[in-house]
Amino acid sequence: QQQVKQSPQSLIVQKGGIPIINCAYENTAFDYFPWYQQFPGKGPALLIAIRPDVSEKKEGRFTISFNKSAKQFSLHIMDSQPGDSATYFCAAAGAGSYQLTFGKGTKLSVIP
Amino acid sequence: DAGVIQSPRHEVTEMGQEVTLRCKPISGHNSLFWYRQTMMRGLELLIYFNNNVPIDDSGMPEDRFSAKMPNASFSTLKIQPSEPRDSAVYFCASSLATGNQPQHFGDGTRLSIL
Repeated sequence: QQQVKQSPQSLIVQKGGIPIINCAYENTAFDYFPWYQQFPGKGPALLIAIRPDVSEKKEGRFTISFNKSAKQFSLHIMDSQPGDSATYFCAAAGAGSYQLTFGKGTKLSVIP
Repeated sequence: DAGVIQSPRHEVTEMGQEVTLRCKPISGHNSLFWYRQTMMRGLELLIYFNNNVPIDDSGMPEDRFSAKMPNASFSTLKIQPSEPRDSAVYFCASSLATGNQPQHFGDGTRLSIL
């Protein structure tokens, strides 16, 4: 019930492509869905977050799509660049909760 | 602004030794988290402090692990005695408060127990 399932584990795209990372959850009490980006040797950093009252949120080249009925959300990276190569984690938390449940991560490689 | 500062960045020690990891949260943040990251298990929350008080330590794997936060600007995670299966990257994170605030992570301590 507490799991967040993330796919794929790894992803390779050409520069300019649109990688899509998917996450699914079971716990209907989850109310906050952030995505974190982690570069090698660094800690995760918040990239973008969404709440279930909206179906889509964009920040620059990054877009979260949210499907409440399917209990799924995804990250799209438009016009991907080699500098976007990193591991991406989806996460979920209940309303007002401190506890983030993380997906297992997706290692993205953007090749020139 | 300085981010979350962790030390040491790397630690290699022999099984049975005591290991102490250190964390300085972002000034003004009153929530602090310790995580462990491994390939097999991903990111796991070990313990959460709010206003220097441990609120949830259910993720601490066993009694060999302990954490303290003596003041708002310092926390430690101690493993005694250490075992090879404790090898992982340990992250400290801080946030302004609970209520879905962004967690700011340090760069981690890569721990290797031989």
